[in-house]
Amino acid sequence: AQKITQTQPGMFVQEKEAVTLDCTYDTSDQSYGLFWYKQPSSGEMIFLIYQGSYDEQNATEGRYSLNFQKARKSANLVISASQLGDSAMYFCAMRPPLLLLFGNEKLTFGTGTRLTIIP
Amino acid sequence: DVKVTQSSRYLVKRTGEKVFLECVQDMDHENMFWYRQDPGLGLRLIYFSYDVKMKEKGDIPEGYSVSREKKERFSLILESASTNQTSMYLCASTPGTGMSGELFFGEGSRLTVL
Repeated sequence: AQKITQTQPGMFVQEKEAVTLDCTYDTSDQSYGLFWYKQPSSGEMIFLIYQGSYDEQNATEGRYSLNFQKARKSANLVISASQLGDSAMYFCAMRPPLLLLFGNEKLTFGTGTRLTIIP
Repeated sequence: DVKVTQSSRYLVKRTGEKVFLECVQDMDHENMFWYRQDPGLGLRLIYFSYDVKMKEKGDIPEGYSVSREKKERFSLILESASTNQTSMYLCASTPGTGMSGELFFGEGSRLTVL
């Protein structure tokens, strides 16, 4: 079974500072995928970034980067130069191996971190 | 852009009522999912479907059923709503092509059961 742990229920960060949101995972699979989603107060889930377990480079998407440390089973999200619009819930999620025939894209989510950017 | 549409953003129902939550996606995706979101618990998978008329239980299927008669539509059914089913319900879809597996979400349906 896969498990995602986000130990920071809430964080407050000054605008323009960098922020790291922690995510650790547990799985016995060798192949898996890791995701980060953002959920603003409006409720929609916005995909931010993806890292495959065999990807050697850390994923980056604009101001978002994923600090992937496979041996430590961690997949922290780093947001550089935070903005007021970054205030939201952030969820880390994991996908099982794509070798399964069906349902291979069902994600297991963590409990989330509420990030508040202070002006 | 992929569009996943949930029929109702907010619903208020009474205990014992039958509740239908509808979800439609417009990108011909194979897989569709229903998640439930509660504070401190994150998102938990209720049911998913990888094809028309096919369904699989997720982690918390008790008290729920689903229907997928057409590829684009996936319905979540609460046969007899209870107060502990008050929650945010999120529908999602993926193409099922074996790519990264990114989920495309609807805007959510916030259900209150009185």
